[in-house]
Amino acid sequence: DGGITQSPKYLFRKEGQNVTLSCEQNLNHDAMYWYRQDPGQGLRLIYYSQIVNDFQKGDIAEGYSVSREKKESFPLTVTSAQKNPTAFYLCASRATGFGGYTFGSGTRLTVV
Amino acid sequence: SQQGEEDPQALSIQEGENATMNCSYKTSINNLQWYRQNSGRGLVHLILIRSNEREKHSGRLRVTLDTSKKSSSLLITASRAADTASYFCATAPTQGGSEKLVFGKGTKLTVNP
Repeated sequence: DGGITQSPKYLFRKEGQNVTLSCEQNLNHDAMYWYRQDPGQGLRLIYYSQIVNDFQKGDIAEGYSVSREKKESFPLTVTSAQKNPTAFYLCASRATGFGGYTFGSGTRLTVV
Repeated sequence: SQQGEEDPQALSIQEGENATMNCSYKTSINNLQWYRQNSGRGLVHLILIRSNEREKHSGRLRVTLDTSKKSSSLLITASRAADTASYFCATAPTQGGSEKLVFGKGTKLTVNP
C-alpha cells in the first residue's frame, strides 16, 4: 500500500539536544512538507520541498533544518535553537498537478 | 501566517443531524480544501474546490465556495458518531505560491450517539 510514514510516533528530547524526525513516502510524490501543530493554533508550515535537493523555508523555519537527498525522504531536524519544540509534527506529500496533500500520522515531540 | 478561520471553533450535535462548518479567508485563492483529523492522528483530505467552482459534493459532504465573500462552508449530512473529529479548511493562495497550503485552526465536531 502506498503511503507516508513518520517515525517515531513519540519522541522525547532533553533540552540542548538535536533530534531528527523521519518522513518517508512511497507515493512517488514530488512535493513534501513539514507542519507543526500546537493546540488551538492549527497547522503552521516549517519547510517544504518541491524537488530533490531543493527546499524552502516556511513561516516558522527558525530552529529547524531539513534535507531532501532522495525523492522518498524528507527528514526534519529540530535543533537546540528551537526554543519551544514540544508539539505535534506532521509530514505531508503532494503529487504534481493535484492540490490535495497526503499526511503521515505524525510525531509527538516532548522536551523533558 | 493563518489565512483560514473556521467557525464555529466547536460544534456538538446528535447523530443524524446535519453539521455545518464555515471558513473565511483573506486573500485570493486557486483552490480551497477541507481536511479531517481524528484525535492524535494525521489529516485526511476530504474535498477540493477550485476558485471557479461554487459547489461540490462527495458522498455526505457538500462544500460551497463564495469567492466574493471569501468564504466556504462544509456540510456533513446525516452525521454519524464516526464523524467526530476536527475539520480544517486550507487555502492555496494565488500569490506567494499556491503549492503551499495555509490551514485554519479547525472546527472540533462532536457527534453524540
